[in-house]
Amino acid sequence: GQSLEQPSEVTAVEGAIVQINCTYQTSGFYGLSWYQHHDGGAPTFLSYNALDGLEETGRFSSFLSRSDSYGYLLLQELQMKDSASYFCAVRGGNDMRFGAGTRLTVKP
Amino acid sequence: DGGITQSPKYLFRKEGQNVTLSCEQNLNHDAMYWYRQDPGQGLRLIYYSQIVNDFQKGDIAEGYSVSREKKESFPLTVTSAQKNPTAFYLCASSIGRGGTGELFFGEGSRLTVL
Repeated sequence: GQSLEQPSEVTAVEGAIVQINCTYQTSGFYGLSWYQHHDGGAPTFLSYNALDGLEETGRFSSFLSRSDSYGYLLLQELQMKDSASYFCAVRGGNDMRFGAGTRLTVKP
Repeated sequence: DGGITQSPKYLFRKEGQNVTLSCEQNLNHDAMYWYRQDPGQGLRLIYYSQIVNDFQKGDIAEGYSVSREKKESFPLTVTSAQKNPTAFYLCASSIGRGGTGELFFGEGSRLTVL
């Protein structure tokens, strides 16, 4: 079967750093992506890792370890607008499968 | 502006009725996808299509049907056979093979069965 596991909720304060983990078990693997989703809007792409290591894009970084089937999204200098759901997704070939999402709440 | 348009945004249906959700993209993307989101759950793949006139079942295709007669359009029909159709439906597209596989999403359609 195919599964992606990530925590259901995370809470942090403004200015802090938060890490959202994702472990996956899929029949094929081309890369791990992260998406941000504000309620009522369209999910938006944040990052993609095809190779092991850390990718940095501004305040957001994403890490992948293919041998451990594990990745994480790191959000730094948290802002109130970062409150949203964050999904990890695995590209297994022609399809894209998502985890259940992590709801991040940023408090003042 | 280029993007994906889903319609309608909200839809109410009586039990036993079929309903079709529209998804149109002007990004010239080859691949298109339909996902379903339920409260507390992730995005579950219903159907996807890599090219015109071809599509594959995802994880929860039962009770749904799709067509891909044009590159720009990938409508989803929720049939009366779908036992629990009330959900939020998201359509997405991507370039297709190669690249990051980045998906571009529409803003979703919320279907409620009365």
